Amino acid sequence: EAQVTQNPRYLITVTGKKLTVTCSQNMNHEYMSWYRQDPGLGLRQIYYSMNVEVTDKGDVPEGYKVSRKEKRNFPLILESPSPNQTSLYFCASSHRGGGLSSGANVLTFGAGSRLTVL
Amino acid sequence: AQSVTQPDIHITVSEGASLELRCNYSYGATPYLFWYVQSPGQGLQLLLKYFSGDTLVQGIKGFEAEFKRSQSSFNLRKPSVHWSDAAEYFCAVGDNFNKFYFGSGTKLNVKP
Repeated sequence: EAQVTQNPRYLITVTGKKLTVTCSQNMNHEYMSWYRQDPGLGLRQIYYSMNVEVTDKGDVPEGYKVSRKEKRNFPLILESPSPNQTSLYFCASSHRGGGLSSGANVLTFGAGSRLTVL
Repeated sequence: AQSVTQPDIHITVSEGASLELRCNYSYGATPYLFWYVQSPGQGLQLLLKYFSGDTLVQGIKGFEAEFKRSQSSFNLRKPSVHWSDAAEYFCAVGDNFNKFYFGSGTKLNVKP
C-alpha cells in the first residue's frame, strides 16, 4: 500500500530533550515536506526537500532541523524542544514533474504525530 | 505574499442539504489550487485539484469546486451532504517552488 509513515504518533517530552520524528514513504517520491498544524492557523510548512541532499526552509523553520540522506526518509529533528513546539506534525510527499502534471505536486500525507513539550 | 483565507471556521448543515465552503486566495501568478479533507485523527486526503483548463473540477466523494479568477476564489460544493462528510476541510495553494499555503480550515458538522 502506498503510504507515508510517521513515528511516533504520540509523544510527550520535556523541554530541551532532543527528539526525532521519523517519516518514510514507499512511493519513490522526490519531494517531501513537514508541516505543523495548530488550531486556527491551518498547516504551516516547516521544511521541504526536493530530492536527496536537497532541503530548504518553509515558513516556520526555527527550532527544527531536517536531513534527506535517502530518498524514502525525511526525519524531523527538534534539537532542544520548547513548549511552543507542542503541535500536530504532518509529513507529506509527492512526485515532482516538469510543470504540474496530473500526479505531480499532489501531496500524500502521513497520519500525523502529536507532540507535547512540557 | 501568498495566503489562503477560509472565512468560515465552523459550518453546520443538515444531512441531505447542499454545502458550500468558501476559499479565497492571494497569489501573484496562476495558482494551483487544492481542497483536502481531514477526518478526526487522520491525515489529510486530497478531494480535488485545479491546475488549469476547465474551471469547474470534480473530485472524490461527490465534491466539486469552481475556480473564479476574478474573485480569487475556489469554493467547494456538494449538492447533498452525508453524515460521513463531517470533517475538517482545508483549501491550499501551491506554487512552482513546491511551497504550499493552507487555509486555517473549516470544520463541518452534519446534523441528522
